Amino acid sequence: EPEVTQTPSHQVTQMGQEVILRCVPISNHLYFYWYRQILGQKVEFLVSFYNNEISEKSEIFDDQFSVERPDGSNFTLKIRSTKLEDSAMYFCASSQGQGGEKLFFGSGTQLSVL
Amino acid sequence: AQSVTQLGSHVSVSEGALVLLRCNYSSSVPPYLFWYVQYPNQGLQLLLKYTTGATLVKGINGFEAEFKKSETSFHLTKPSAHMSDAAEYFCAVSDQDDKIIFGKGTRLHILP
Repeated sequence: EPEVTQTPSHQVTQMGQEVILRCVPISNHLYFYWYRQILGQKVEFLVSFYNNEISEKSEIFDDQFSVERPDGSNFTLKIRSTKLEDSAMYFCASSQGQGGEKLFFGSGTQLSVL
Repeated sequence: AQSVTQLGSHVSVSEGALVLLRCNYSSSVPPYLFWYVQYPNQGLQLLLKYTTGATLVKGINGFEAEFKKSETSFHLTKPSAHMSDAAEYFCAVSDQDDKIIFGKGTRLHILP
């Protein structure tokens, strides 16, 4: 079965540094998402992306966050100046159609901000 | 706005016993409902989903869930638990538009 690939699986960074989390969605998918899960808490929606632009974003997704689809295969999440509270597991997801019918999730990137 | 409430952050059952994980939702429109499973150090995997039609839906690994509109519930069940079922389970709702909203998750422990 096709899968969403995320790299790296673990990322450690210093507070204030920029990080880029990378995702390769499934090739024929059109809708892309980032979610995050702080340890012990629920999985939270960050942003959705379609047709090369953000279609929806949550309150969490402030000016420190940005997303990009720099080429035909990658989908990245950038955090410009990381804070301690950004430490979480970040999940990328993609789907062929809308309606959340079937999101395929990657295995996540564990971000630790020190 | 949609929301999901999962009752019990931890549930323990004996191997071979019935598994019941509870989920209640809130949605202003007919919802799509999902159960996802997360095994240790892995991503989220879709167990089953309800969109329209039959209210009892069957998923992978012997799990099923029933959509009960009158109770705004979508509880997950499995007749006989297996050790390999130990994982975190997330109930989720979508308003058919775009994003999925997740519950806080229930960690299922299987006792030998």
